[in-house]
Amino acid sequence: DAKTTQPNSMESNEEEPVHLPCNHSTISGTDYIHWYRQLPSQGPEYVIHGLTSNVNNRMASLAIAEDRKSSTLILHRATLRDAAVYYCIQETSGSRLTFGEGTQLTVNP
Amino acid sequence: SQTIHQWPATLVQPVGSPLSLECTVEGTSNPNLYWYRQAAGRGLQLLFYSVGIGQISSEVPQNLSASRPQDRQFILSSKKLLLSDSGFYLCAWSLTISNTGELFFGEGSRLTVL
Repeated sequence: DAKTTQPNSMESNEEEPVHLPCNHSTISGTDYIHWYRQLPSQGPEYVIHGLTSNVNNRMASLAIAEDRKSSTLILHRATLRDAAVYYCIQETSGSRLTFGEGTQLTVNP
Repeated sequence: SQTIHQWPATLVQPVGSPLSLECTVEGTSNPNLYWYRQAAGRGLQLLFYSVGIGQISSEVPQNLSASRPQDRQFILSSKKLLLSDSGFYLCAWSLTISNTGELFFGEGSRLTVL
C-alpha cells in the first residue's frame, strides 16, 4: 500500500493559519492526494484532494510540491472546531483509500 | 440527498458470540461500499469493499466476513468474536472506485468484546 508520513501531532492558536505537512515520496504520476479529518467518535469527513495543481475549497487549501513528493494542507484561520485528526492519503489509481495514523491537531483558544 | 445509516451504534458482546453490523445507503444507486475498522487511537484499516451486489473483496485475512445482499446494503458479520475484534467499525460509500471519488462515512459502530 502507498504510504504517507505525517507528524503525530501539531498545535495551533485560534484564528491563526495552520500548515499540516505530508510526505508521499513514492507517489506516481497518476496518484491523487486526499485529505480527510476525523472528530472524536465520528467517521472521517472529506476535506480536499488534488493531483498536481494547488486546490482551494471552502474548507481548506492544498499545496502540492512541484515534484509531488509532499503536500501541505492549509487551514487559513483555525477554529476550535478544526481540532481533529487529519489524514493525508495517497491513492493509487484503482485502489482503495488507506488511512494512516494521521496528525492530531490541537487548537488553543 | 444521500445518507448512510449504520447500526447498532454501540454493542458489547462476549467472546465467541456472533456479530452482525448493518449499513444502508439512501439516495444513490450502485454505490461502492466499504467497511473500515479503527482500533483505539489508531488509523483506519480497510476490511472489505464491494463494487456491486454479491461482489466482496477482502483486504486483510481475519475473523470477519461481509455480504452485500442488496444494492445499498452492506453487512459485516462474524460467527465467533475474538477480543481483538473490539474497535470502531465504519461503513462508507463512494460513487466510484476511481481516484477522484469522495468517501462518505457513517456514524460508526463501537464494538466491545469482553
